[in-house]
Amino acid sequence: DQQVKQNSPSLSVQEGRISILNCDYTNSMFDYFLWYKKYPAEGPTFLISISSIKDKNEDGRFTVFLNKSAKHLSLHIVPSQPGDSAVYFCAASEGNQFYFGTGTSLTVIP
Amino acid sequence: NAGVTQTPKFRILKIGQSMTLQCAQDMNHNYMYWYRQDPGMGLKLIYYSVGAGITDKGEVPNGYNVSRSTTEDFPLRLELAAPSQTSVYFCASSLLAGGYYEQYFGPGTRLTVT
Repeated sequence: DQQVKQNSPSLSVQEGRISILNCDYTNSMFDYFLWYKKYPAEGPTFLISISSIKDKNEDGRFTVFLNKSAKHLSLHIVPSQPGDSAVYFCAASEGNQFYFGTGTSLTVIP
Repeated sequence: NAGVTQTPKFRILKIGQSMTLQCAQDMNHNYMYWYRQDPGMGLKLIYYSVGAGITDKGEVPNGYNVSRSTTEDFPLRLELAAPSQTSVYFCASSLLAGGYYEQYFGPGTRLTVT
């Protein structure tokens, strides 16, 4: 039973444009939502997070939006750069437990 | 700071064999985690530890055992390897619990059971 879902396995975007990665969840008890970036043959690295009491968090080119009523969050990357090409995982936490989505592979075309 | 280290990087096991995946962190983090990632899937939590001597089950603990005798080390034991345990295993650590605290991941161990 997948509590965190990323329905787009892949996304291609031109360099300089906006990348929007989406994530849906089913558990209303999640208290934090996180995005991780993963390059091949490496472990995931933390990108940005948002508390369930907020609806937006920004860090440089990365912004995460949370819509609790729709149980949906999204990651915006503006402007996209070739170095952003990686797999992005959405994750949600409930206490000590973390649940990950299946990932979206982002390709930024120069 | 080496961060989170994992050994081995790769391993092939025969069905029924056992092995221990090693994980160590040098950031003095209290919390440590073991995840597995199957092809095309997200990471699933196997076990976690809130400190030396304390461990708890995650989402998919069956077939695995853990121990935490020191703050630094959190080995994962497979007793009777099965093909269903073919996966990439990631260890992670965080200072404290919950989504507020960033998890730092190791590079992973790719395990094949045949």
